[in-house]
Parts: sequence; C-alpha cells; structure tokens
Amino acid sequence: DAKTTQPPSMDCAEGRAANLPCNHSTISGNEYVYWYRQIHSQGPQYIIHGLKNNETNEMASLIITEDRKSSTLILPHATLRDTAVYYCIVRVNNDMRFGAGTRLTVKP
Amino acid sequence: EPEVTQTPSHQVTQMGQEVILRCVPISNHLYFYWYRQILGQKVEFLVSFYNNEISEKSEIFDDQFSVERPDGSNFTLKIRSTKLEDSAMYFCASSEGRGTFTDTQYFGPGTRLTVL
Repeated sequence: DAKTTQPPSMDCAEGRAANLPCNHSTISGNEYVYWYRQIHSQGPQYIIHGLKNNETNEMASLIITEDRKSSTLILPHATLRDTAVYYCIVRVNNDMRFGAGTRLTVKP
Repeated sequence: EPEVTQTPSHQVTQMGQEVILRCVPISNHLYFYWYRQILGQKVEFLVSFYNNEISEKSEIFDDQFSVERPDGSNFTLKIRSTKLEDSAMYFCASSEGRGTFTDTQYFGPGTRLTVL
C-alpha cells in the first residue's frame, strides 16, 4: 500500500498559493518523495521530486521537513488549470504506488 | 518537449477478444511501464520492462497479459482474452533508467479500454 497520507480534498483561490501537505512518517533514508498530478482522466503528470533538500522548478516548490516525515507541495500562484488530483508518492521500487491523492479545486 | 504517446485513445472490444495497446516511449528512455486505472479508482502498477524483459510485475499482471517491444520504438501491452473487469484507462510510462529512486517516470495520455 501507499506509504503516504494526504487530505482527500482542498480548495484554493485563484492566484493564491496552494499548499498541499503529505505525511510519510515511515520513509526510509534513501527513498525519494515524488509528486504527480492527474487532470480529469489524463495521464499522471510529473511535478517534482526530492530527497531531503527543498526543491523548486518551474511548476512548483517542494518543502521536506528535516526529519523527512512530511512534505508540502507549493503551487505559488494557482490557476484554474491547476485543478487536479495531486499524488504524493514515496518510491519503494521501480513501480509508482499511487494513493487516492488530494483533489485540489482552484476557485475563481 | 518529448512525450510518451499512446494509440488508440479509445478501444472498444467484445469480451473474450484479444487487444493490443500501443505506446511510443520517449526516445532515449530505457525503462517502460504499464499502469491501469479503473474508473474512480487508483492508478495501479502492472509491469515494468527493461532490456527486453520484464523487470517487475504486480499481481494484476497475470497470464492474460503480455508486453513486448516489437521494434525500436513501440512498446505494447496485449490482453489475450479480455474480461469485463479489464475495462480501464491504461497508461504507458517511460524513464531514462538512471536508477530506481531517482528515475522519473513520464506518462502517456492513456488508452481507454471498454470491454462489452
């Protein structure tokens, strides 16, 4: 089963930052945290990943706590097109273990 | 930007028929994957493929399923005798093959399989 816990749903106002939390209290030292999102029934879209340092790319920022037991994905200026299901995944093997994710709804 | 492509986008078949779902992975990638998502459920791993052989498979990937890389560009998933419960979105993914925990997988748009 997935090693992560995410809230089932969140709302965010358009233009504001969306902060999506994820708990992964049983993460091991060499396991990476990956974030994907899925818009409607499209293929999962890679967002970002990290091990222990905070990471930023053109889509989002990933903040990982010092003990690595939780992380937060930040979409700095959410738009309506960011409405999707966001998955936090701890890599165990070559397979990606998707949970139920967080359904983020960006509202005008 | 290179992307994974899949054909067809929608496949309708009769129960008991064989189907082949096709994928063209990103060109310099070495690992290939199939996942499925039954409507309203989670995305589930089926199989990973590297160096012309299966490297991992889930319990879902039984003898009804097979994968193949018939040429240098295509990666296929065959379901030998489809069942109603095989109706799902099937996603292909590929990765560079740099190492397990840092090897980012990129997904295709999916094929919606409907078994009647």
